[in-house]
Amino acid sequence: EVRLVQSGAEMKKPGESLKISCKASGYSFNNYWVGWVRQMPGRGPEWMGIVHPDGSDTRYSPSFQGHVTISVDKSTRTAYLQWTSLKASDTALYYCARPKWGPDDAFDAWGQGTMVTVSS
Amino acid sequence: EIVLTQSPGTLSLSPGERATLSCRASQTVNVNYFAWYQQRPGQAPRLLIYGASFRATGVPGRFSGSGSGTDFTLTISRLEPEDFAVYYCQQYDSSPPSTFGQGTRLEIK
Repeated sequence: EVRLVQSGAEMKKPGESLKISCKASGYSFNNYWVGWVRQMPGRGPEWMGIVHPDGSDTRYSPSFQGHVTISVDKSTRTAYLQWTSLKASDTALYYCARPKWGPDDAFDAWGQGTMVTVSS
Repeated sequence: EIVLTQSPGTLSLSPGERATLSCRASQTVNVNYFAWYQQRPGQAPRLLIYGASFRATGVPGRFSGSGSGTDFTLTISRLEPEDFAVYYCQQYDSSPPSTFGQGTRLEIK
């Protein structure tokens, strides 16, 4: 069974840093990219970016480029999403997801989501 | 960036009825790069349709997708109680970034 298990909810203050994780199991990790999707309350999903399983290639949406970093640790089958300086507007639910095949594909497996709350 | 506009925003129907959800793209999308998702409250989105018309694994036959160019449709032939949820379209033709629509809420009448 394909599983993506994300780290738990976070509460942070503006300006703080954060790294959330997504651990994959049940499939050949080396064959699939891992993406991140933001969903703000009551809104549609937003595609943030995606990383090759060996970390050799990472692609970002222009809306998120420069504000987040997506990375991966192949040895632990874990993908990461990190911020160096959070803003209140980063408050959202974040999902990791696996595309059906390549980086430009629909997501057929999703994590359970990590809620990030940024408030002073 | 391709903008996807879904209609209607909310659709009120009864179990057993037919549901037709629309998604219009701001520019042409290759049919091979278009998907539909279902999201129930408190759950992650679930892939229903990819390549505009192919059902994902485990998706019931009452769900079907069609369309081309800028206009795509998700049809649910006979609504079951578990189908009342929010539905999103996605294009992954022009990526990055892939983009999603704002959603159609399917509610029980």
